[in-house]
Amino acid sequence: LAKTTQPISMDSYEGQEVNITCSHNNIATNDYITWYQQFPSQGPRFIIQGYKTKVTNEVASLFIPADRKSSTLSLPRVSLSDTAVYYCLVGDSYTGGFKTIFGAGTRLFVKA
Amino acid sequence: DTEVTQTPKHLVMGMTNKKSLKCEQHMGHRAMYWYKQKAKKPPELMFVYSYEKLSINESVPSRFSPECPNSSLLNLHLHALQPEDSALYLCASSQGGLAGDEQYFGPGTRLTVT
Repeated sequence: LAKTTQPISMDSYEGQEVNITCSHNNIATNDYITWYQQFPSQGPRFIIQGYKTKVTNEVASLFIPADRKSSTLSLPRVSLSDTAVYYCLVGDSYTGGFKTIFGAGTRLFVKA
Repeated sequence: DTEVTQTPKHLVMGMTNKKSLKCEQHMGHRAMYWYKQKAKKPPELMFVYSYEKLSINESVPSRFSPECPNSSLLNLHLHALQPEDSALYLCASSQGGLAGDEQYFGPGTRLTVT
């Protein structure tokens, strides 16, 4: 199974860009990289997903180098409401289904 | 409608009780999931249903029994739980259960076993 490693926590200030890097050295050819956000007492929410190079949507960008052994979630101009836990997931094909393995997550604290 | 609903929001049960958690989605998704999440830990996958068939059981104790009556509903039957089973139980759904499918999560049921 592909495992992921992320920083346990990060601090930032409002208006700054935040980059959270995830290592996934054993990523398989078919695996996608997905990031979720979770607020306290809520279910995780999908942020962004990619396979290679760069993906951008209205809330974030995802940078994936050519070897795909890591990825970086970039949150532009964070606000207090971006304080949450961010999980990096690497999809893992499994006979009979798809297994979702959440990494330990990165707790982001955004300060005023 | 991109919502996954879960009932109840909170549940307190004794170790000899039998209770059920319910999850519902109306997005036409064909894969549904149960996760368990302890405080300050990531969600842990318990079960996956794909096209109403149980496709993954992560060696979950038999005191947890999942059921998928139809493609929109997912239940988790609880019996003879232990205090260490107290956690947030999350339900999720995705379009087809394929690698990379975006999962939509419900708000969870906060379970306390006394």
